[in-house]
Amino acid sequence: GAVVSQHPSRVICKSGTSVKIECRSLDFQATTMFWYRQFPKQSLMLMATSNEGSKATYEQGVEKDKFLINHASLTLSTLTVTSAHPEDSSFYICSARQGSSGNTIYFGEGSWLTVV
Amino acid sequence: GEDVEQSLFLSVREGDSSVINCTYTDSSSTYLYWYKQEPGAGLQLLTYIFSNMDMKQDQRLTVLLNKKDKHLSLRIADTQTGDSAIYFCAETRGSYIPTFGRGTSLIVHP
Repeated sequence: GAVVSQHPSRVICKSGTSVKIECRSLDFQATTMFWYRQFPKQSLMLMATSNEGSKATYEQGVEKDKFLINHASLTLSTLTVTSAHPEDSSFYICSARQGSSGNTIYFGEGSWLTVV
Repeated sequence: GEDVEQSLFLSVREGDSSVINCTYTDSSSTYLYWYKQEPGAGLQLLTYIFSNMDMKQDQRLTVLLNKKDKHLSLRIADTQTGDSAIYFCAETRGSYIPTFGRGTSLIVHP
């Protein structure tokens, strides 16, 4: 099946620094990718929808200047957490939609971010 | 209430069948999905069903959709300890942005 890869799987950064997480669709082109945040024992919270070649659409309450999303190619979207704080520590998961009609959505393995 | 609802826990004995239930509110849902999440990992797509289908079977997995009642279920036959995980139900509408339930923790004991 289709594979979506995230990197890094785990990252620790200092408060105030920025960290970038990559999401790649390995064997298909993804015009749309999604970024989620998951708190322990919680469901997935959609942060933003990333469309190739255009600006991301952020969900209400998500700071777009803090969570920068870039979708520069059909196989890569990046999430940059800027000026990270300990409360940004979380599990971030991306997903990619195969095809334009949205019938199959595959998820990456997730990235654990710890801000110290 | 929430758009997609699931019970939080299900405990079954190894070898028995597991049935995980999900209800949703939007009658315009197009696709409905089941994902599996193991501890510390991402989500694995198990199966999906289009809204004009009633049932889909894939090996040990059977998905039933009652569109009238907006009820989706996932049946796992011959449940094994490796099936222990959190199972998420999700649905998409016209925008094709999936909405997730809170997940059902399946615990399989010997």
